[in-house]
Amino acid sequence: EIVLTQSPGTLSLSPGERATLSCRASQSVSSSYLAWYQQKPGQAPRLLIYGASSRATGIPDRFSGSGSGTDFTLTISRLEPEDFAVYYCQQYGSYPWTFGQGTKVEIK
Amino acid sequence: QVQLVQSGAEVKKPGASVKVSCKASGYTFTSYGISWVRQAPGQGLEWMGWISAYNGNTNYAQKLQGRVTMTTDTSTSTAYMELRSLRSDDTAVYYCARSGRLDAFDIWGQGTMVTVSS
Repeated sequence: EIVLTQSPGTLSLSPGERATLSCRASQSVSSSYLAWYQQKPGQAPRLLIYGASSRATGIPDRFSGSGSGTDFTLTISRLEPEDFAVYYCQQYGSYPWTFGQGTKVEIK
Repeated sequence: QVQLVQSGAEVKKPGASVKVSCKASGYTFTSYGISWVRQAPGQGLEWMGWISAYNGNTNYAQKLQGRVTMTTDTSTSTAYMELRSLRSDDTAVYYCARSGRLDAFDIWGQGTMVTVSS
């Protein structure tokens, strides 16, 4: 099983600042089958990034994904008030599909 | 529009079973699969398994093997997840999500709260 470790656990930032979230895999994620999701309280997760770096439909370009192999990054270039949420990475290249434990981005 | 609509909240006693439904609309049901993901209160996301709506092939998380069954009804574009021998630690919000064999989860249901309590 591929274990995904996200860091930091919590990121305290102000609107307008840049957010950099990390996701490290215990073994290589095949063909960059790595996704990022955003979840707000009481809501279902929303797909942001798939294939490590492709933005999902309707996702603003301030969200970008990068990385390959075992190290992946989600960057939010300038935080908007609606971006404060929990972010999860997920690998879907080999069973069992797994999620990271999440990074909470909170208002400083 | 493309959407997944899940059945309502359930309260079950330990040892019972629960069956959650997920009705798809706005796309060709058999062109995708459905994954099930659960989230215990205050916790992260846990993948439970995936079913192909095309041929019914399944892949389950090992920790749930023997207790979970995922099915689809193509006549109604509905997926089902049944979990048996419920325990208190099965208390969670259960989500269905659309995904292909090697696709991210692009459409999610609204979630179904399942509470297991004596």
